Amino acid sequence: GAGVSQTPSNKVTEKGKYVELRCDPISGHTALYWYRQSLGQGPEFLIYFQGTGAADDSGLPNDRFFAVRPEGSVSTLKIQRTERGDSAVYLCASSKGPNSPLHFGNGTRLTVT
Amino acid sequence: DAKTTQPPSMDCAEGRAANLPCNHSTISGNEYVYWYRQIHSQGPQYIIHGLKNNETNEMASLIITEDRKSSTLILPHATLRDTAVYYCIVKAYNGANAGKSTFGDGTTLTVKP
Repeated sequence: GAGVSQTPSNKVTEKGKYVELRCDPISGHTALYWYRQSLGQGPEFLIYFQGTGAADDSGLPNDRFFAVRPEGSVSTLKIQRTERGDSAVYLCASSKGPNSPLHFGNGTRLTVT
Repeated sequence: DAKTTQPPSMDCAEGRAANLPCNHSTISGNEYVYWYRQIHSQGPQYIIHGLKNNETNEMASLIITEDRKSSTLILPHATLRDTAVYYCIVKAYNGANAGKSTFGDGTTLTVKP
């Protein structure tokens, strides 16, 4: 079946601009996660949704970052006033529930110039 | 979340068993041990998980010590395609941290011909 899909695969934006990153989870997966990964490091947790609600947003670095999942399926990660330090690969994962293995997409590579 | 410690890198000869160690000395009774791997430019891929018993699937075996303070992932016959970064994480199955998986920097396994 189809895996986790993330769009776009690459995004280049200028400092100060607003970006949206999209994640389509595996159908039927109730849990959805966003991670950020810098070169040479492991994925860094950002936020976890169970259904439509954010069950844990403790990893969001500041209030420029926001994520939504309005219908419990597709999720959008929104970054306002982007900074060069936001450049990274943003990974999305989904799972059948909080106690099930994560299935990751291939990420969106964000470059802020 | 309990933290894990892994060697930064390991080499293995093609066709031989690869044994990847992980220390999780502060693991709690409600935490599973999960292993994922990440091949360059892809999202992490789930391999296996366990609570206290040894586990085996088509990809690998997981050996957890009796005190649960460490584990070893075994790839029985490593191939060149097993070259990747391997992440060991511990994840609670209930409680406030049930949904969150915290990744470290993993072990880079290089399988050599």
